Amino acid sequence: GAGVSQSPSNKVTEKGKDVELRCDPISGHTALYWYRQSLGQGLEFLIYFQGNSAPDKSGLPSDRFSAERTGGSVSTLTIQRTQQEDSAVYLCASSPFPRGSTEAFFGQGTRLTVV
Amino acid sequence: AQKVTQAQTEISVVEKEDVTLDCVYETRDTTYYLFWYKQPPSGELVFLIRRNSFDEQNEISGRYSWNFQKSTSSFNFTITASQVVDSAVYFCALAILNGQNFVFGPGTRLSVLP
Repeated sequence: GAGVSQSPSNKVTEKGKDVELRCDPISGHTALYWYRQSLGQGLEFLIYFQGNSAPDKSGLPSDRFSAERTGGSVSTLTIQRTQQEDSAVYLCASSPFPRGSTEAFFGQGTRLTVV
Repeated sequence: AQKVTQAQTEISVVEKEDVTLDCVYETRDTTYYLFWYKQPPSGELVFLIRRNSFDEQNEISGRYSWNFQKSTSSFNFTITASQVVDSAVYFCALAILNGQNFVFGPGTRLSVLP
């Protein structure tokens, strides 16, 4: 597609369940980012991929969060044993080059609600 | 560490007024990039502009203009003759060369009233 695509757009899950959020970056973009935006708040950085590698996972809020990227393309963010505080919009972005030298293009986000 | 401050949490203006959104950044790196994004009610972040640390030339794009001043570590954004469609949350962001993420400010919610 022409832009960054995220699925699902909305997800309601019960507390304690696992969820998977998917991101399809713009074709050819080597860098991929995950951010979290709680209601009315700014963007919290979660993780960055350069190719399939995530050099730094320290932004992930807990060990219930994990992410992977395969084939230098699609990325999946997995949240295990979801908690109500995980409710937020999860945003994915990609950019053609790493290291911040170009802008990142964002997807429309996945709104996660944990009930 | 890098930090971005947007001191204005919310701004309300009447249509056709000019409005300036402030952004102050902190970094010890000499090579860095500054960005502005718009987040309309639909939620998707829309890229507006990128500036590198070696280019202090101000930029104008239609009703939008940006003032980059390294001396004050500021990268302010002005909308001239604001319109209702400009209502959104605006984020300023910073990335350093060889950095691993974009550091976003908390955002400024702009409401343009008819």
